[in-house]
Amino acid sequence: AQKITQTQPGMFVQEKEAVTLDCTYDTSDPSYGLFWYKQPSSGEMIFLIYQGSYDQQNATEGRYSLNFQKARKSANLVISASQLGDSAMYFCAMREGQAGNQFYFGTGTSLTVIP
Amino acid sequence: NAGVTQTPKFRVLKTGQSMTLLCAQDMNHEYMYWYRQDPGMGLRLIHYSVGEGTTAKGEVPDGYNVSRLKKQNFLLGLESAAPSQTSVYFCASRRGTGGLKQPQHFGDGTRLSIL
Repeated sequence: AQKITQTQPGMFVQEKEAVTLDCTYDTSDPSYGLFWYKQPSSGEMIFLIYQGSYDQQNATEGRYSLNFQKARKSANLVISASQLGDSAMYFCAMREGQAGNQFYFGTGTSLTVIP
Repeated sequence: NAGVTQTPKFRVLKTGQSMTLLCAQDMNHEYMYWYRQDPGMGLRLIHYSVGEGTTAKGEVPDGYNVSRLKKQNFLLGLESAAPSQTSVYFCASRRGTGGLKQPQHFGDGTRLSIL
């Protein structure tokens, strides 16, 4: 079974609107961390935001926030006030605490911001 | 502010040739990783290292070898390149302390084509 599932291959959003990118995960480990990365067309991977399984509040970093629903095993990325520079691939990833070392990545969502 | 540096950035090989990709990090990170990225498949882990002198297999290790003789360097080798190894290769590193929240820091990638 896939550890990380991103079901939206491509998304479009109007500039200045908010958009939600979906991520569901599968683990039996009670301790885990969830990460979102951005990959612009230039190719580099940029870390955006982190959510820990024991965190009481949803993570926020500027215009990025995480809608973390533990019971549903989802960690959706919300980008508010979209900008043209947000057009990129977005990857969700997980690391399991007890297993330790590996990160598991989803297949990504391509976001296009329309002016 | 070098971070993670990958060498080379582009390479074209013929089937059967060998080559080594170099990853160097200047952040004193304990953990280092090699991934390949193929269209529609996200990032898949090839090999990783939890410290100098140690390596471990990831999800797709066949056809690759790695070495971590120095803490700052992680080498990925292709002994006999095959067209199926055409991909973009990413190196990443992360701190070994600080818990689950430590993200991976990525290099800019190496685009490798096998003819």
